[in-house]
Amino acid sequence: GENVEQHPSTLSVQEGDSAVIKCTYSDSASNYFPWYKQELGKRPQLIIDIRSNVGEKKDQRIAVTLNKTAKHFSLHITETQPEDSAVYFCAASMAGGGNKLTFGTGTQLKVEL
Amino acid sequence: EAQVTQNPRYLITVTGKKLTVTCSQNMNHEYMSWYRQDPGLGLRQIYYSMNVEVTDKGDVPEGYKVSRKEKRNFPLILESPSPNQTSLYFCASSLGLAGPYEQYFGPGTRLTVT
Repeated sequence: GENVEQHPSTLSVQEGDSAVIKCTYSDSASNYFPWYKQELGKRPQLIIDIRSNVGEKKDQRIAVTLNKTAKHFSLHITETQPEDSAVYFCAASMAGGGNKLTFGTGTQLKVEL
Repeated sequence: EAQVTQNPRYLITVTGKKLTVTCSQNMNHEYMSWYRQDPGLGLRQIYYSMNVEVTDKGDVPEGYKVSRKEKRNFPLILESPSPNQTSLYFCASSLGLAGPYEQYFGPGTRLTVT
């Protein structure tokens, strides 16, 4: 089955700096890569996703890039703010597998003032 | 308001005492799923359902049961809970079989088994 690895497990940045979280996946049939943000005590919520027919997607301060050849994708957050502090999860979904998501182990992002 | 609800939100129980965690969605989603979240392990899928009366095992199904008798409900059943099932549980739903699509998560149920 699919395996998703996520790095780093913790990330601390200064407010205003950029943050990058990286994930690799194992199954070349995966075609959907969402990123979820989970604030303390809350449910995971989708912040951005990308499909395999696109190499990059941007939404205001967040962007995701996908390299299908290398089987890795990354989340980029620019101009970080304290409210960006949360746990971020990447995930991958296999083509033909319905909506089954395999998640990475999460990155605790801390934005310091 | 479109949402996924779970009950109870918190539950403390003892080993072997059967329990059910309910999950309901009002978005007419076909796909529903249960995950458990443990520190350092991320979210792991327990069971999922592609439609009414169609359920299948996820990555960590041992010790759990599910049913999907109605489209909106997808209860998680622990027939004989054990301490290693202490965890944070999330139900999620998603639109359609032709996915994948965004999954909407419930608020979570924190279960402690002593």
